Amino acid sequence: SQQGEEDPQALSIQEGENATMNCSYKTSINNLQWYRQNSGRGLVHLILIRSNEREKHSGRLRVTLDTSKKSSSLLITASRAADTASYFCATSSGGTASKLTFGTGTRLQVTL
Amino acid sequence: GAVVSQHPSWVICKSGTSVKIECRSLDFQATTMFWYRQFPKQSLMLMATSNEGSKATYEQGVEKDKFLINHASLTLSTLTVTSAHPEDSSFYICSARDLTGPPGTQYFGPGTRLLVL
Repeated sequence: SQQGEEDPQALSIQEGENATMNCSYKTSINNLQWYRQNSGRGLVHLILIRSNEREKHSGRLRVTLDTSKKSSSLLITASRAADTASYFCATSSGGTASKLTFGTGTRLQVTL
Repeated sequence: GAVVSQHPSWVICKSGTSVKIECRSLDFQATTMFWYRQFPKQSLMLMATSNEGSKATYEQGVEKDKFLINHASLTLSTLTVTSAHPEDSSFYICSARDLTGPPGTQYFGPGTRLLVL
């Protein structure tokens, strides 16, 4: 299966600034999820947005979904050094047994 | 939330040996688990879907005889890398499907780093 594309591949910002990451995918989906991965560690689930939703918030995270453009964005507001990680989008299509297809990821570096 | 563990967290082995990695769902039953491989600075690539009590389903290009998967119980799946070679060195991550959540809900283990010398 083809992976989705994320941009930018890498992003470096200062603490307090906002970080925006974009994800594009190719097929129709049930939902889209965002994950964080600290270097050499497992994945942490951040947020899930269903295909019939357009925007979702969770703390400092804001996710949008545009199914007509097959794209999503993740906004992290007031970033912190602890937000430094790789961020992946993953799409789910098909039934409950559906697999996840991961995007290429964005490496975020937040400096003090 | 649901917890998935992996063991070992890292392993170094000699070329030609076999390595077994365990994936356990600690507080829920998982009829389906997934195995991913991740190379440095790359995304996760699904290797196979592990179904309890039946044969695993492998993704295109993944050798089933090379990567043996056994899902003998509702809480344990194992991945055995047979006759490992340096090119098999990678980060292996498992996940377990949660049937009670939205489609595609999976809980991920912390990963196993394999280094083949």
